Amino acid sequence: GNSVTQMEGPVTLSEEAFLTINCTYTATGYPSLFWYVQYPGEGLQLLLKATKADDKGSNKGFEATYRKETTSFHLEKGSVQVSDSAVYFCALISNTGRRALTFGSGTRLQVQP
Amino acid sequence: NAGVTQTPKFQVLKTGQSMTLQCAQDMNHEYMSWYRQDPGMGLRLIHYSVGAGITDQGEVPNGYNVSRSTTEDFPLRLLSAAPSQTSVYFCASSVRQVGSTDTQYFGPGTRLTVL
Repeated sequence: GNSVTQMEGPVTLSEEAFLTINCTYTATGYPSLFWYVQYPGEGLQLLLKATKADDKGSNKGFEATYRKETTSFHLEKGSVQVSDSAVYFCALISNTGRRALTFGSGTRLQVQP
Repeated sequence: NAGVTQTPKFQVLKTGQSMTLQCAQDMNHEYMSWYRQDPGMGLRLIHYSVGAGITDQGEVPNGYNVSRSTTEDFPLRLLSAAPSQTSVYFCASSVRQVGSTDTQYFGPGTRLTVL
């Protein structure tokens, strides 16, 4: 079956530090990959996505590249801000089977001023 | 567009009570789903629907029922609430995009506590 593994948190960084949150996956077929963000007390928002190998998704300074050879989709940002404090979820949809997301367990990011 | 709406935002139940979590979307999306979010476990699929009149089970369907009589609405029913159903529930909707991938849009969630 499909599964997503992401690094455990919390990740605590100082403002302007470099961020990496690791995500690896197992899936049948050729999945599409996503990063969702959940700010405190809110629902999930799509942050970025990639639909095929070597695609790079980007949004709000965040980037992730679909690496088929390593089955990874690591999230990066060059300079984090306090406002980036949130929980980040890596997820996939397989192109076979049901059209539902398989999520990782989430990584909480805390950015200190 | 209001997007995906959920009611109520918060709910406290006693063990054995029943209730319905409401979900509606105004984007004419064919696909709708319910997830539950538990600490350290991400979100897990409860039930989903690929269109009016068509529903199917996800990973954790026990104790929940769904129906889809219209494209817009996808209510989730708890038949006899148990403390293990204490969670945050999210509804999502999407439409298949030609040449691209589904993007799921989430509601704001319902926080349910079962005592």
